Amino acid sequence: DIQLTQSPSFLSASVGDRVTITCRASQGISTFLAWYQQKPGKAPKVLIYAASTLQSGVPSRFSGSGSGTEFSLTITSLQPEDFATYYCQQLNSYPVTFGGGTKVEIK
Amino acid sequence: QVQLQESGPGLVKPSQTLSLTCTVSGASISNINYYWSWVRQPAGKGLEWIGRIYTTGSTDYNPSLRSRITISTDTSKNQFSLNLYSVTASDTAVYFCVSLVGATRSLDFWGQGILVTVSS
Repeated sequence: DIQLTQSPSFLSASVGDRVTITCRASQGISTFLAWYQQKPGKAPKVLIYAASTLQSGVPSRFSGSGSGTEFSLTITSLQPEDFATYYCQQLNSYPVTFGGGTKVEIK
Repeated sequence: QVQLQESGPGLVKPSQTLSLTCTVSGASISNINYYWSWVRQPAGKGLEWIGRIYTTGSTDYNPSLRSRITISTDTSKNQFSLNLYSVTASDTAVYFCVSLVGATRSLDFWGQGILVTVSS
């Protein structure tokens, strides 16, 4: 199985901050990586797919980059509604795997 | 817009079978663009992919669960189902049914999730 390691696992930030979350794959996965946002009690929501393509309806302050084994999700100006947990997910090969998550909390 | 809704018992006894059904609307289960998947999440923990089924009937399962699961479809009802056998307390989780889009390889549409507790 391909392991995804997210860092940091916890992030404390203020409204307006620029934050970056990284995701490292245990082997190359080309650009078959997606990012999700999950709020408490809700299902995850896809933000980015194919490493850098913004899902329709997702604000442009979210962006993704990377290929191979190193990926990142950046939020350029953190908004109150962005405080949530973020997960990366790969499907270069089955089984689908997820990163351990990054919880973004208000400083 | 694809919508998914999980249904099934919220409480299952240890060693018994957990059976969940996902009803799909807004797309046909036979749509070649989607793979119908299950994902679970224990309370306070991360996401675990369980498996998926395609319109052809082909399946892929998480190796950690492969010996205990079956995913199937009912095209007449536009539903797909999960059976998880010989459950233990560690199978307690929120179970989500999800559509995996083949073109983007992302999990685009999620059900609201159903909490299943394994307890006697």
